[in-house]
Amino acid sequence: KAGVTQTPRYLIKTRGQQVTLSCSPISGHRSVSWYQQTPGQGLQFLFEYFSETQRNKGNFPGRFSGRQFSNSRSEMNVSTLELGDSALYLCASSLPHQSTDTQYFGPGTRLTVL
Amino acid sequence: DAKTTQPTSMDCAEGRAANLPCNHSTISGNEYVYWYRQIHSQGPQYIIHGLKNNETNEMASLIITEDRKSSTLILPHATLRDTAVYYCIVRASHNTNAGKSTFGDGTTLTVKP
Repeated sequence: KAGVTQTPRYLIKTRGQQVTLSCSPISGHRSVSWYQQTPGQGLQFLFEYFSETQRNKGNFPGRFSGRQFSNSRSEMNVSTLELGDSALYLCASSLPHQSTDTQYFGPGTRLTVL
Repeated sequence: DAKTTQPTSMDCAEGRAANLPCNHSTISGNEYVYWYRQIHSQGPQYIIHGLKNNETNEMASLIITEDRKSSTLILPHATLRDTAVYYCIVRASHNTNAGKSTFGDGTTLTVKP
């Protein structure tokens, strides 16, 4: 079974631009969560989508948004990029309502904001 | 989700067992203990999880104390490729917060030749 895939793997943007990142979950998984990882803040939860609805949201500004499609693929968008948005963005998928809802992570998208 | 406490770093000799402790004294009855590891700049890799019984899989063993306030991840024969940051998290399942994991700083395990 293929794992979680994320595209693109690397991205360079400039301040003020916007960016869209994509995540394809493991086949059959319906929950997709997004995380931001920076050296200073570690791994922080952004939001989770389940059945096309945002089910949980972390403490990030409204510039960070996401959506999920009917095939469970998810995208996250960051508008008006700031230097501090440079990070590794990770998505994780899980199969809710199984015994433990284990999350499996993708390889991440490395975003650099110049 | 309950907070976890892990040592910042540990060393282990190649071929020896690596024992990584985790304290989760405020864990709730419905929260599982999960272990992940992250090799530099890659996505976290799921290792093992458990509720209250000890667990073993092809990667590792998980020992959870009877009071569930702490656990130990055991890599039986550490190799250089096991050098990584190891995260212990606790998370409830079967509820609306199941998709949210709270990561701490983890333990940096260095396996030395």
